[in-house]
Amino acid sequence: NAGVTQTPKFQVLKTGQSMTLQCAQDMNHNSMYWYRQDPGMGLRLIYYSASEGTTDKGEVPNGYNVSRLNKREFSLRLESAAPSQTSVYFCASSQNRGTEAFFGQGTRLTVV
Amino acid sequence: AQSVTQPDIHITVSEGASLELRCNYSYGATPYLFWYVQSPGQGLQLLLKYFSGDTLVQGIKGFEAEFKRSQSSFNLRKPSVHWSDAAEYFCAVALMNTGFQKLVFGTGTRLLVSP
Repeated sequence: NAGVTQTPKFQVLKTGQSMTLQCAQDMNHNSMYWYRQDPGMGLRLIYYSASEGTTDKGEVPNGYNVSRLNKREFSLRLESAAPSQTSVYFCASSQNRGTEAFFGQGTRLTVV
Repeated sequence: AQSVTQPDIHITVSEGASLELRCNYSYGATPYLFWYVQSPGQGLQLLLKYFSGDTLVQGIKGFEAEFKRSQSSFNLRKPSVHWSDAAEYFCAVALMNTGFQKLVFGTGTRLLVSP
């Protein structure tokens, strides 16, 4: 049972380039999330999807877009990367209520 | 606004000593509470959770946490720390929207274990 799988694990982008972070879960969870982790700031929610076909903004959505492709997959896109988007990105999934979130291993993104 | 506060950025504990990591939350209703641990370069692993019932909850790796409604706290404890416990620890609160929950995290406490 793989849980939550993120690709890639590492990425270096130049300012202005675009890329998509992929996330897939095999636990049949309804809800999926994208977080970013920065030193001293904990994890901040970028976007979430409460169920297949719905997405909504979290705390820090600017500069990002998401797609809930199906129940398993939830991708995060940076259209024009900026150095401020250098971070570690985590995807997570959970059932709707009363259960914990399961996290992927993270994607370390550097924008130069 | 709902928030989670972990007042200690770093804590150093001697191996074999006891540990308490503090967590305070601000939330209007009874929250769902979690502690996660993150080892270097890894994702987050759930240590324990509180939803309702007994306010002292047991988790993995010998950790426990106590929910105190009067203090809006959910502190994490371990009676005897092992070197492998060195990691970053995050407290989180689940905000319950209709049929859906979002997690709000504290800023984390980095635990260092000295020999």
